[in-house]
Amino acid sequence: GENVEQHPSTLSVQEGDSAVIKCTYSDSASNYFPWYKQELGKRPQLIIDIRSNVGEKKDQRIAVTLNKTAKHFSLHITETQPEDSAVYFCAASNSNSGYALNFGKGTSLLVTP
Amino acid sequence: EAGVTQFPSHSVIEKGQTVTLRCDPISGHDNLYWYRRVMGKEIKFLLHFVKESKQDESGMPNNRFLAERTGGTYSTLKVQPAELEDSGVYFCASSQVPWGRGYGYTFGSGTRLTVV
Repeated sequence: GENVEQHPSTLSVQEGDSAVIKCTYSDSASNYFPWYKQELGKRPQLIIDIRSNVGEKKDQRIAVTLNKTAKHFSLHITETQPEDSAVYFCAASNSNSGYALNFGKGTSLLVTP
Repeated sequence: EAGVTQFPSHSVIEKGQTVTLRCDPISGHDNLYWYRRVMGKEIKFLLHFVKESKQDESGMPNNRFLAERTGGTYSTLKVQPAELEDSGVYFCASSQVPWGRGYGYTFGSGTRLTVV
């Protein structure tokens, strides 16, 4: 089955700096890669996603890149703000398997003022 | 539009007891998923319903777990008998079929299950 590795497990940055979280996956059939943000005690919320036919996608301060050959994808947050502090999960899935998500272990991001 | 609703939000039960978790998906969403996060580990897929049918239950850990979705609306996940290692947060998510812009799932807030 699919195995998703996520690094780092914790990340601390100063407000205004950039944050990068990296994930690798093992199943070349995976074709959909969402990123979720989970604040303490709240539900995971989709912040950005990318499909395998696209190499990069950007939404304001958030961007995701995908390298299918190397089987890795990354989340980039620029101009970080304290409210970006949360746990971020990457996931990989396959449309042929009903989009069941295989999650990474999560990255706890702390943005200090 | 109402979101995905799960209850209870918290449940504390003794080992050997039975617990039933409920998930109400967004109305009209045919896909319903159950996931679980055990303390400090990744969120793990349990199973996937399409309407009332189990599309994929490969993530169910053992036969102490039983999921149902009668009538294709809400779903229940029963753990019987509960063991200590079943403690964690159980998330439900739903999505439409087919996906449009790939905005994917909407997750519920989860049920935190503690088995003592």
